[in-house]
Amino acid sequence: QKEVEQNSGPLSVPEGAIASLNCTYSDRGSQSFFWYRQYSGKSPELIMFIYSNGDKEDGRFTAQLNKASQYVSLLIRDSQPSDSATYLCAVRRLEYGNKLVFGAGTILRVKS
Amino acid sequence: SAVISQKPSRDICQRGTSLTIQCQVDSQVTMMFWYRQQPGQSLTLIATANQGSEATYESGFVIDKFPISRPNLTFSTLTVSNMSPEDSSIYLCSVSYRGLRTEAFFGQGTRLTVV
Repeated sequence: QKEVEQNSGPLSVPEGAIASLNCTYSDRGSQSFFWYRQYSGKSPELIMFIYSNGDKEDGRFTAQLNKASQYVSLLIRDSQPSDSATYLCAVRRLEYGNKLVFGAGTILRVKS
Repeated sequence: SAVISQKPSRDICQRGTSLTIQCQVDSQVTMMFWYRQQPGQSLTLIATANQGSEATYESGFVIDKFPISRPNLTFSTLTVSNMSPEDSSIYLCSVSYRGLRTEAFFGQGTRLTVV
């Protein structure tokens, strides 16, 4: 079992729709959870991070964390073609030196 | 957020040679990491760069192949030694502050091609 699992996609949504990206993790001791966006040929760009159960909103993005289910998601409202990218989920546990463990990423395609 | 400058941005190298990648941060950060992203893959941690001491390497990565230096809180280097085509990847520097509620940022990456 991989530590961090994501559906590789591609996930295709029409412009203006809500894109829902999901991530599960195996280490119940994971404490912080990150969503990065990576355009082809570019480095990962931090979108959001969350460490408490519940929702965290920032503009069109909402991260949702459920530690009991070991599940974190990212919702993108009013999806735009510029949101088309690979979305990487990462988890962190302080006892393991603050390093990030990444999932394989989900490719999102927003069609105009 | 921290501003990270990583050099070079890309390079094409001959097999058997070495390349040193630099990572400079505009503020004193607690943690610096080096990741590798092979073509079409996600990110894999190579090592944690420790200030003034030997880096902490992940399973599958060794100091002889990937020597790392971190002389202060704002600068680190990663060397890819005795390169082979399998080392062709993007190498990324990442920084963060220690703690639960801290973000983690990436440099722009170094795209390495070994021929």
